[in-house]
Amino acid sequence: ILNVEQSPQSLHVQEGDSTNFTCSFPSSNFYALHWYRWETAKSPEALFVMTLNGDEKKKGRISATLNTKEGYSYLYIKGSQPEDSATYLCAFGGNDMRFGAGTRLTVKP
Amino acid sequence: DTAVSQTPKYLVTQMGNDKSIKCEQNLGHDTMYWYKQDSKKFLKIMFSYNNKELIINETVPNRFSPKSPDKAHLNLHINSLELGDSAVYFCASSQTDNYGYTFGSGTRLTVV
Repeated sequence: ILNVEQSPQSLHVQEGDSTNFTCSFPSSNFYALHWYRWETAKSPEALFVMTLNGDEKKKGRISATLNTKEGYSYLYIKGSQPEDSATYLCAFGGNDMRFGAGTRLTVKP
Repeated sequence: DTAVSQTPKYLVTQMGNDKSIKCEQNLGHDTMYWYKQDSKKFLKIMFSYNNKELIINETVPNRFSPKSPDKAHLNLHINSLELGDSAVYFCASSQTDNYGYTFGSGTRLTVV
């Protein structure tokens, strides 16, 4: 059974703050890691797909890094905005992505 | 143009009934999935189909049966519904070789 753990469970920041959260996964038999953004009452939306150790991906103010040898990925948000408020999910696996419980981010104006 | 569409969005039904949830994707993806969002908000994989063939079947009661008439459709049929089946069910699709998933908007099933 694959365990994907995310921390923190929730996070409250002020507008303009930069923040980051962690996804931990088993380091053996790595295939891929995904990050998703999930807004309330919507469906998860893919942010990044990462497959190589040392991968760094960026989309606007959001970026992610990957360390497959130690089994973790970080998601960074620079200069958080209220519209960044959402749950950020990571998922690990191949044809059967296993999702973590998510980090619920709230950005206060 | 909805990429992954699920119907119905809401489904309220009585225990013991049989119901289906439909999913269609117009992205040309090869693989489709069903996930269940449990009471703790986890997304748990139920089934995965690649080109109409079942490739993942997690420990889901056999009252749940997926049906894929073609690679653009993956329907979920549930027999003898139980109270514990109440959840939000998400359909998703992806290309093979590990692209990000595109999710449907979810179906909230309530069994009373």
